[in-house]
Amino acid sequence: AQSVTQLGSHVSVSEGALVLLRCNYSSSVPPYLFWYVQYPNQGLQLLLKYTTGATLVKGINGFEAEFKKSETSFHLTKPSAHMSDAAEYFCAVMKAAGNKLTFGGGTRVLVKP
Amino acid sequence: SQTIHQWPATLVQPVGSPLSLECTVEGTSNPNLYWYRQAAGRGLQLLFYSVGIGQISSEVPQNLSASRPQDRQFILSSKKLLLSDSGFYLCAWSSAPSLYGYTFGSGTRLTVV
Repeated sequence: AQSVTQLGSHVSVSEGALVLLRCNYSSSVPPYLFWYVQYPNQGLQLLLKYTTGATLVKGINGFEAEFKKSETSFHLTKPSAHMSDAAEYFCAVMKAAGNKLTFGGGTRVLVKP
Repeated sequence: SQTIHQWPATLVQPVGSPLSLECTVEGTSNPNLYWYRQAAGRGLQLLFYSVGIGQISSEVPQNLSASRPQDRQFILSSKKLLLSDSGFYLCAWSSAPSLYGYTFGSGTRLTVV
């Protein structure tokens, strides 16, 4: 069975500072990994995904994530936080050729001016 | 282009009343369809998924049921709502989940009173 752990349910960053959201997964086989963002009372929007190939993936809104197999991690970063980045972020894992996403518990990001 | 519609956006229902939430997808055929629930403190919980008309897989035992009467229509129902059914319900679709992840609808906020 797969599982996803997001360290920190709440993260507070200053505008212009680095955003770092941690995600670790547990899977018996190399999984596919995803990051989603959710703004209040809205659905989830795909930020980026890792399936195969380059382990550093770039997504929308200046976010990127690096797949590290040895650490079973897929941390999300953004060099400089913007007020519009305030939202909840979800890491998710899926088995290759699978059809079900397993989500982490989410991390809510607060951006301080 | 593909779009997903989910309605209603908000719903307040008394305990014991029936429920019907509808989700439709346009611009694709034979999508995988999913129902998730977000409840306070419980993250995203997969309720049902469907890989074709009339094919429904239930992930957790509960007071809800799902149906897929048409290729691009997915309905979430209950005969008698419980207080614990309150939450934010999200529909999602995918044509190739492990490659593209899911695309989510805008959600329905259900409050059972």
